[in-house]
Amino acid sequence: KAGVTQTPRYLIKTRGQQVTLSCSPISGHRSVSWYQQTPGQGLQFLFEYFSETQRNKGNFPGRFSGRQFSNSRSEMNVSTLELGDSALYLCASSSGTSGAGDTQYFGPGTRLTVL
Amino acid sequence: QKEVEQNSGPLSVPEGAIASLNCTYSDRGSQSFFWYRQYSGKSPELIMFIYSNGDKEDGRFTAQLNKASQYVSLLIRDSQPSDSATYLCAVINTGGFKTIFGAGTRLFVKA
Repeated sequence: KAGVTQTPRYLIKTRGQQVTLSCSPISGHRSVSWYQQTPGQGLQFLFEYFSETQRNKGNFPGRFSGRQFSNSRSEMNVSTLELGDSALYLCASSSGTSGAGDTQYFGPGTRLTVL
Repeated sequence: QKEVEQNSGPLSVPEGAIASLNCTYSDRGSQSFFWYRQYSGKSPELIMFIYSNGDKEDGRFTAQLNKASQYVSLLIRDSQPSDSATYLCAVINTGGFKTIFGAGTRLFVKA
């Protein structure tokens, strides 16, 4: 079974631009979660989607948004980029149906650098 | 108080020793607990999960859960230099749809 894929793997943008990251979950998985990882803050939860609906959201500004398509693929968008948005963005997929028993599997991440 | 707390380390152990990694959580209703390993520059990979109080063993790894004390730990027996990584503790909250990660503990295994 193929794992979680994320594209692109690396991105360089300048302040004020916007960016869209993509995640394809493991086949059969309907839940996709997004995380931001920085050396100082660790893994920070952005949001989680299940069957095209956002079920949970972390404490990030509205510049961070996401969506999920009917095939469970997900995108996240960051508008008006700031230097502090430089981070590794990780996507994780899970079945999403067993609540407390759900295990997440991570993609390789997208390394975003904002200049 | 952070929702999931881990000692950031670094924890340094000699090759062949037992490494003990600890994690506490604040949501008493949490039901599922996970340990992930993350090598530098890579994404987290699942080591094991535990749901019930007590010990769960998988090869050289043993997870221990004590819900009354809101404490979960990971023991690595016969530590190898290849075990050197950051270990992340993760907890699924009471609602069931949000996984909260600790900041991670860096482990160094000296050859």
